[in-house]
Amino acid sequence: SSELTQDPAVSVALGQTVRITCQGDSLRSYYVSWYQQRPGQAPVLVLHGYNKRPSGIPDRFSGSTSGNTGSLTITGAQAEDEADYYCHSRDSSGNRVFGGGTKLTVL
Amino acid sequence: QVQLQESGPGLVKPSETLSLTCTVSGDSISRDYYYWGWIRQSPGKGLEWMGTVYKSGSPNYSPSLKSRVTISVDTSKNHFSLNLTSVIAADTAVYYCARFCSTNTCYEAFDIWGQGTMVTVSS
Repeated sequence: SSELTQDPAVSVALGQTVRITCQGDSLRSYYVSWYQQRPGQAPVLVLHGYNKRPSGIPDRFSGSTSGNTGSLTITGAQAEDEADYYCHSRDSSGNRVFGGGTKLTVL
Repeated sequence: QVQLQESGPGLVKPSETLSLTCTVSGDSISRDYYYWGWIRQSPGKGLEWMGTVYKSGSPNYSPSLKSRVTISVDTSKNHFSLNLTSVIAADTAVYYCARFCSTNTCYEAFDIWGQGTMVTVSS
């Protein structure tokens, strides 16, 4: 089991806002990064640091961290945002770890 | 642009050693503040970090795999490698190599990924 906990599945209506969360005590001390994985494709970094988007990632993706919870927010979800989303950080021992993933469905 | 490409056998027999190589193009594996890692994904499951190595060859491994995994770097060939010993069916997965950046603008993230390679453990 992962030390980063994510909801297995979340849904959002097209054009609405959705927040995907990642919980873990280590997030009080370490950065969280977020990855999007579409079916059959490799993961893609969408957010890192305190809310930094790599080049090419739409600005509808934003992030935040509060206490032990990191959040990825999609404002105005699009059909192409339907994917699995994984958070990543360190565990309590400092080892790298991924959350279990959240399957986002855009209705 | 920076590209990573995994290579190696797609089929490995139980109890044998799984060996993969990740060739890096468009970047130097000797670059400061960048690490190189392996992540795997079993069919229908989530991402599992296996380990990360720096240019100096100082690896960090997942505790659950530490007894079986070795990650090494070859700066002369600009590639890094994964060895996983004594494989079992549960090691069947897509194996990804990825670049991990630890700069003051990247904040610890796997910013570039290979396309992944499927490895099946079966006799």
